[in-house]
Amino acid sequence: SQTIHQWPATLVQPVGSPLSLECTVEGTSNPNLYWYRQAAGRGLQLLFYSVGIGQISSEVPQNLSASRPQDRQFILSSKKLLLSDSGFYLCAWMSAYNSPLHFGNGTRLTVT
Amino acid sequence: AQTVTQSQPEMSVQEAETVTLSCTYDTSESNYYLFWYKQPPSRQMILVIRQEAYKQQNATENRFSVNFQKAAKSFSLKISDSQLGDTAMYFCAFNNAGNMLTFGGGTRLMVKP
Repeated sequence: SQTIHQWPATLVQPVGSPLSLECTVEGTSNPNLYWYRQAAGRGLQLLFYSVGIGQISSEVPQNLSASRPQDRQFILSSKKLLLSDSGFYLCAWMSAYNSPLHFGNGTRLTVT
Repeated sequence: AQTVTQSQPEMSVQEAETVTLSCTYDTSESNYYLFWYKQPPSRQMILVIRQEAYKQQNATENRFSVNFQKAAKSFSLKISDSQLGDTAMYFCAFNNAGNMLTFGGGTRLMVKP
């Protein structure tokens, strides 16, 4: 069966520090991968998605970047965090067109 | 562009009663897929139910069922015999036969004992 791992679960980082959140999927090949951000009590904002290795699409201009170095690995990064980067980050995968998104457990990021 | 609207920001229901969450969407496509996700306080996103637009029969999953009205572009979620564990944010989502889901803004449901 397919599983998705996302880590860390929580992270507290000072302003200006770098960020690296990692997500891996097991049990499937060539999944579509996604990074979402969610402010407290709010909806989901799509940040990045990838349909293959090295293929990254950005939905909103921001202080973040994403990379997909391997088929089932998706990384969210920042060189210098801003206070506004605080939030709940969710990684997700989709196996094929029209299938549902499957989400990781999320990372709660607090930038101080 | 497709849009998904959940007009009820918050709702509450007494334990064991039935509640219906509303969702409308806008699309010019004829083939698409609809989903309801649950996000409990743990914030994990859990798929509750899915509906294919070409299927006239409403989907059901145990106590969860949908009322899919294609002409009206409406996709409501009915929760029967509400339980305390149903307390969560509920998101409606739409996929127009591609690789992107469009989410509604969510409805916060509180089940009261």
